[in-house]
Amino acid sequence: SQKIEQNSEALNIQEGKTATLTCNYTNYSPAYLQWYRQDPGRGPVFLLLIRENEKEKRKERLKVTFDTTLKQSLFHITASQPADSATYLCALKGGFKTIFGAGTRLFVKA
Amino acid sequence: DVKVTQSSRYLVKRTGEKVFLECVQDMDHENMFWYRQDPGLGLRLIYFSYDVKMKEKGDIPEGYSVSREKKERFSLILESASTNQTSMYLCATGTPGGWADQETQYFGPGTRLLVL
Repeated sequence: SQKIEQNSEALNIQEGKTATLTCNYTNYSPAYLQWYRQDPGRGPVFLLLIRENEKEKRKERLKVTFDTTLKQSLFHITASQPADSATYLCALKGGFKTIFGAGTRLFVKA
Repeated sequence: DVKVTQSSRYLVKRTGEKVFLECVQDMDHENMFWYRQDPGLGLRLIYFSYDVKMKEKGDIPEGYSVSREKKERFSLILESASTNQTSMYLCATGTPGGWADQETQYFGPGTRLLVL
């Protein structure tokens, strides 16, 4: 069956370190993959999109990689700050629908 | 900036009541979506619409219906609310997306529904 998986355990890191979140998928061949941020009690907010022919995408302190062979995307936040604490969702296009992972909660401690 | 608003942030209803959740967007997007979000399960698609008066079932349509009479408005209806419909409901919009097109989704703030 088709699945998109993110680490359900929260990630706790120290301010200033790099946070790395993982998104794995099976039985999809997505043309692109997206990452969203969700704060408690709010709707997700789009952060980045990476296409299947792109290995890496950057936006300020964010970096996303996409390995279609491993069927995996990594999401990095460099020089993390307490304000980066949130849940991060990955999403991919499965047919005509967007499929979301359950998200990984990130806590950045000062 | 895209603005997606939902009629209520919090709702408390009784079992068996008919519940209306409304979503309005101001960016002239064709696509609109209703999701529910539960801990550990992520976002699950209930219904979506690609145009006025069009609707398509998502992954969990049972117990729900939708209405799209105007492009900017997409309503989710719980015909007879049940306790297992207690959840966070999120509306989203997006520009048209074919297989390889971008379809970034823009979400509303969510409605937290409690059914007693």
